[in-house]
Amino acid sequence: TAGITQAPTSQILAAGRSMTLRCTQDMRHNAMYWYRQDLGLGLRLIHYSNTAGTTGKGEVPDGYSVSRANTDDFPLTLASAVPSQTSVYFCASSDSTENEQFFGPGTRLTVL
Amino acid sequence: GQNIDQPTEMTATEGAIVQINCTYQTSGFNGLFWYQQHAGEAPTFLSYNVLDGLEEKGRFSSFLSRSKGYSYLLLKELQMKDSASYLCAVMDSNYQLIWGAGTKLIIKP
Repeated sequence: TAGITQAPTSQILAAGRSMTLRCTQDMRHNAMYWYRQDLGLGLRLIHYSNTAGTTGKGEVPDGYSVSRANTDDFPLTLASAVPSQTSVYFCASSDSTENEQFFGPGTRLTVL
Repeated sequence: GQNIDQPTEMTATEGAIVQINCTYQTSGFNGLFWYQQHAGEAPTFLSYNVLDGLEEKGRFSSFLSRSKGYSYLLLKELQMKDSASYLCAVMDSNYQLIWGAGTKLIIKP
């Protein structure tokens, strides 16, 4: 069982370039989330989607956009990357908003 | 504002017991979660408390006091593989998780 997959595993990106981080889950979970994890800080929610076709802003949405065209996929796009977006990005999903979240393996992004 | 506090780092001995504390102040409360995260890996779910009291799951137990805004994770019979970060997270009134920075647990033989 794959669970949640993320791609790429890691990436080095030049400032000003755009990039899409991919996230796919095969658990038919309704809710999906994007977090960033920085040293010394807790996971911070970027965007979320409670069900296919809907999205919402989390704590740190600026500079990021998401879409949820179907249940399985929840891509995160950086339109014009900046060095402060250097982080580890985790995608997660849950069958409902009040239940535990399952995490993908993460994408380590470095913006130079 | 919303805040989750937990110690940055703790050290314990293999075979011993360790308690990791978490205090919180959040906008509403819909449950408290503990996750384990090994270095370079994704967080994995350990436990969930929504009512006051102790929840036991094998070597791991989690306690909650909603009136005190306090929880702890108790790990018994520590093993070297328990070396990891332990993340406390509270689900707020919007059903969003607010995360602590995590407690890095170092197990010594």
